[in-house]
Amino acid sequence: NAGVTQTPKFQVLKTGQSMTLQCAQDMNHEYMSWYRQDPGMGLRLIHYSVGAGITDQGEVPNGYNVSRSTTEDFPLRLLSAAPSQTSVYFCASSYGPLYEQYFGPGTRLTVT
Amino acid sequence: QQQVKQSPQSLIVQKGGIPIINCAYENTAFDYFPWYQQFPGKGPALLIAIRPDVSEKKEGRFTISFNKSAKQFSLHIMDSQPGDSATYFCAASLTRGGSEKLVFGKGTKLTVNP
Repeated sequence: NAGVTQTPKFQVLKTGQSMTLQCAQDMNHEYMSWYRQDPGMGLRLIHYSVGAGITDQGEVPNGYNVSRSTTEDFPLRLLSAAPSQTSVYFCASSYGPLYEQYFGPGTRLTVT
Repeated sequence: QQQVKQSPQSLIVQKGGIPIINCAYENTAFDYFPWYQQFPGKGPALLIAIRPDVSEKKEGRFTISFNKSAKQFSLHIMDSQPGDSATYFCAASLTRGGSEKLVFGKGTKLTVNP
């Protein structure tokens, strides 16, 4: 099993550009989630999904969109990037509750 | 409002020492309290989790102590090793009901010197 994979590993965007961070898992997990990690801030939940077709907002959802059309994939969309979205983004998945999750390797995003 | 407060921000111990990381929470609705370990350049990994009706849980050299009345919990690492050097995050989870919640502390960077 590859576990949780994220692409790209690094990305630089200009303010106002859009992009999609990809996340996939091959463990048949129902729960998937996105976090951002900023220095001195810990991790903050952006959006999560408890199954295909079901998503919900986390702590910091503004500026991000998600959808879950398959069990395996959970992409995160930035519609109009802002410098405040410069961060490391982690995707995670689990069979059950959010906290029992496996994290991906992360995507480092810089918005200039 | 910070829902989970973690201290200290950084901690340095000698090999064999017992580092202790503390966390406090406000919302009594939280029903699981996990700890994560993160090495540089990697995603966090779940170490151990405890329910609020349990006062202590051990997994290997890692122990969580939980004080429900004080709304505090802590992580102890017995016989710490240089390989334990990492950033540790506590968190509080709400798993019941229609909307899940998971909030993290800000992290503690642990350095174990040989």
